Amino acid sequence: QVQLVQSGAEVKKPGASVTVSCKASGYTFIGYYIHWVRQAPGQGLEWMGWINPKSGGTKYAQKSQGRVTLTRDTSVSTAYMEVSGLRSDDTAVYYCARPPSGNWDDAFEIWGQGTTVTVSS
Amino acid sequence: QSVLTQPPSASGTPGQRVTISCSGSRSNIGNYYVSWYQQLPGTAPKLLIYRNHQRPSGVPDRFSGSKSGTSASLAISGLRSEDEAEYYCAAWDDSLNDHYVFGTGTQVTVL
Repeated sequence: QVQLVQSGAEVKKPGASVTVSCKASGYTFIGYYIHWVRQAPGQGLEWMGWINPKSGGTKYAQKSQGRVTLTRDTSVSTAYMEVSGLRSDDTAVYYCARPPSGNWDDAFEIWGQGTTVTVSS
Repeated sequence: QSVLTQPPSASGTPGQRVTISCSGSRSNIGNYYVSWYQQLPGTAPKLLIYRNHQRPSGVPDRFSGSKSGTSASLAISGLRSEDEAEYYCAAWDDSLNDHYVFGTGTQVTVL
């Protein structure tokens, strides 16, 4: 079945970097954009950006620009999100998600299980 | 600070109909499709409605969405205990470099 499986929880110190992976299966990886969304504890959902797995093209939320890098490896059908210069307010659950269509501006139908990133000294 | 405003809470008894509103602007709801997500505690969001009123496969027809101008709403009819969750509206926004915005969220309680 179509699914996105993310890497496990991470604990990082302030200033460090973290990379979260999102492995796709059950569909053609390069046919659908991958988006990243995060949710701080007790807070709402925040969109971070998308990557086009076919071209590698990316778009970032204004807040993400400069510290977030989205990449992909089509040979293993996996998307990656790196956050650098971690701060305590980056503590959140990070999700990858896929639209129901091949369009970038559609909703998010398939979600990964989420990866908890904790930033603490 | 979300640009899509939802009531913080809504409630109803089993079998009742509950409606959640989502207020935006021309740059988001006015120009783009609206989606709705359900999030149970400790789980990933689940897409309930996309393109204003479309339901993904497997979503019961008790859930319905509508949009008018710069506002949208989600209706849950025949409320069930398993509908107790947080609900978010969302839409793309073409102000400040096309980005996806989520609503403030509404906690639905089944009394």
